[in-house]
Amino acid sequence: GQSLEQPSEVTAVEGAIVQINCTYQTSGFYGLSWYQQHDGGAPTFLSYNALDGLEETGRFSSFLSRSDSYGYLLLQELQMKDSASYFCAVRAPPNRDDKIIFGKGTRLHILP
Amino acid sequence: KAGVTQTPRYLIKTRGQQVTLSCSPISGHRSVSWYQQTPGQGLQFLFEYFSETQRNKGNFPGRFSGRQFSNSRSEMNVSTLELGDSALYLCASSLVKTSDYNEQFFGPGTRLTVL
Repeated sequence: GQSLEQPSEVTAVEGAIVQINCTYQTSGFYGLSWYQQHDGGAPTFLSYNALDGLEETGRFSSFLSRSDSYGYLLLQELQMKDSASYFCAVRAPPNRDDKIIFGKGTRLHILP
Repeated sequence: KAGVTQTPRYLIKTRGQQVTLSCSPISGHRSVSWYQQTPGQGLQFLFEYFSETQRNKGNFPGRFSGRQFSNSRSEMNVSTLELGDSALYLCASSLVKTSDYNEQFFGPGTRLTVL
């Protein structure tokens, strides 16, 4: 089967760094994406890792290791506005339904 | 540039009825995907349309269907509504097929409540 596992909730302090992990049991995929969704809002694209390694975009970084079936989103200098749900997603290959699979999301709580 | 729009934003129906939801993608985007979001199951893929053709479909019953028009606008239909269909239905557009380009732009969603 194909599934993505993320922690359901993570709590961190304003100004700190937090890492949200995503492990997958998907045999073959086209890369790992991350989306952010605030309460009542639509998911917005954060990053995409097509290859192994670290991608950095401002305060956010995303990492992928295909050999470990693992990726993470790193948020630095946390701000209260970063309180949201974060979803990882992979694209299954054409021989496996060719569709995007989302994790169930990690709710990030930020304490002042 | 206007974002993805979805209508209606809120909908209340009763069991057994049918419903049609509409999605207008970002101008120039040719791919539209639909997702169902519920607290317990997260985001689940329904189907993707590209150039008026359904490219793939998620694991949903045949009561869920969709189509895409020549202007890339898309509709999804759910027939014989069940209580479990209550969810937020999200539409996402992308410039090309999602297998060619990964970033999707989501609309605000339609909140469907089935009584």
